[in-house]
Amino acid sequence: AQSVTQPDIHITVSEGASLELRCNYSYGATPYLFWYVQSPGQGLQLLLKYFSGDTLVQGIKGFEAEFKRSQSSFNLRKPSVHWSDAAEYFCAVGPMTTGFQKLVFGTGTRLLVSP
Amino acid sequence: DVKVTQSSRYLVKRTGEKVFLECVQDMDHENMFWYRQDPGLGLRLIYFSYDVKMKEKGDIPEGYSVSREKKERFSLILESASTNQTSMYLCASTGQGFGNTIYFGEGSWLTVV
Repeated sequence: AQSVTQPDIHITVSEGASLELRCNYSYGATPYLFWYVQSPGQGLQLLLKYFSGDTLVQGIKGFEAEFKRSQSSFNLRKPSVHWSDAAEYFCAVGPMTTGFQKLVFGTGTRLLVSP
Repeated sequence: DVKVTQSSRYLVKRTGEKVFLECVQDMDHENMFWYRQDPGLGLRLIYFSYDVKMKEKGDIPEGYSVSREKKERFSLILESASTNQTSMYLCASTGQGFGNTIYFGEGSWLTVV
């Protein structure tokens, strides 16, 4: 069964500093990989997704993620964090064997941005 | 603009009450989902539906049922609410096929007292 691990429950970053959120997945083959963001009291918004091809994926709001098959990782990065990036971030994996995306989510990482 | 609408954002119900959470999408999506979100546990799939009147259990279906009488509407039902069902409930939808984005509603906060 597939699973997703986000080892950091909370991360605090200074505004303007770089950010990396970690995500490791467990799956028998190459899965579809996603990063979602959830602002307080809101639903989830898709930041980016990886299916195949270039292992560095660009997303919205200046985020990018790199798929590393050898490490079973899909870490999210941003070169310069803004205060509005404070939110909860979820990594998710979806199998390629079904006809649609039934996702398994990680437990989330809450990002705090300090002035 | 795509829309998944959860009609009730905040609900307070008593133990033993029957609770309906409604979700409507306007994107003609075949697939709809109900997730439960709890701190430290992330999102867990309760039920999903891949067509009208079709449903499948997710990872935590106990204590819940669903109804999908129309393509655009997917309802989550708590037959007899319990305090351990106090949570945030998220509805989502996506089209058929690989690579489609899953769109989420804003969530329904349910408190059972």
